[in-house]
Amino acid sequence: QVQLQESGPGLVKPSETLSLTCTVSGASLSYFYWSWIRQPPGKGLEWIGYIYYSGSTNYNPSLKSRVTISVDTSRSQFSLKLSSVTAADTAVYYCARGYNQHWVHFDYWGQGTLVTVSS
Amino acid sequence: QSALTQPPSASVSPGQSVTISCTGTSSDVGSYNYVSWYQHHPGKAPKLMLYEVNKRPSGVPDRFSGSKSGNTASLTVSGLQAEDEADYYCSSYANSNIVFGTGTKVTVL
Repeated sequence: QVQLQESGPGLVKPSETLSLTCTVSGASLSYFYWSWIRQPPGKGLEWIGYIYYSGSTNYNPSLKSRVTISVDTSRSQFSLKLSSVTAADTAVYYCARGYNQHWVHFDYWGQGTLVTVSS
Repeated sequence: QSALTQPPSASVSPGQSVTISCTGTSSDVGSYNYVSWYQHHPGKAPKLMLYEVNKRPSGVPDRFSGSKSGNTASLTVSGLQAEDEADYYCSSYANSNIVFGTGTKVTVL
């Protein structure tokens, strides 16, 4: 059974960097794309970006200047860093796996973790 | 890239069918057959219901079907059941980006 679990601080101060980690169990990171997706309170989903197991990345153009996604295959983890956060970055953050070795649709998701940006 | 447009809500009686639209542009839905649909029960992980417009992952019942015409994709759920009550989101590939829909809350009366 493939499982993804997000972890990281639930509260981040404005202008600081949001850091989250997704731990994958029940499957190897190899040959898959791994994404971060977020959902602000009361709003829809927003794709943040993906990393391929080999390390190549692609980010949402609207967030590209502030986003870094990295992977640690030895720990079965991939991570998100979002810099210079504001209240608009308050959201439930999900990690997800690309389905069928593609990156445009997602078959396994984490439960999500709420990150609040506030002083 | 703007979000794809979905109706905010739909209410349907058990056993009936519901069709949810997902309207984009010629830059996303209209240009690619990479439209997906997700079912989301609040507090749980979203679930992939359809991908590439009308393909069902293993385990998804055939009550769920999809189609696309021009810039609008649609999800149809037939024989609605109580457990189908959830939020539904579409998504589309859009030139090295993914754009999601605004979401539709389906209520089973």
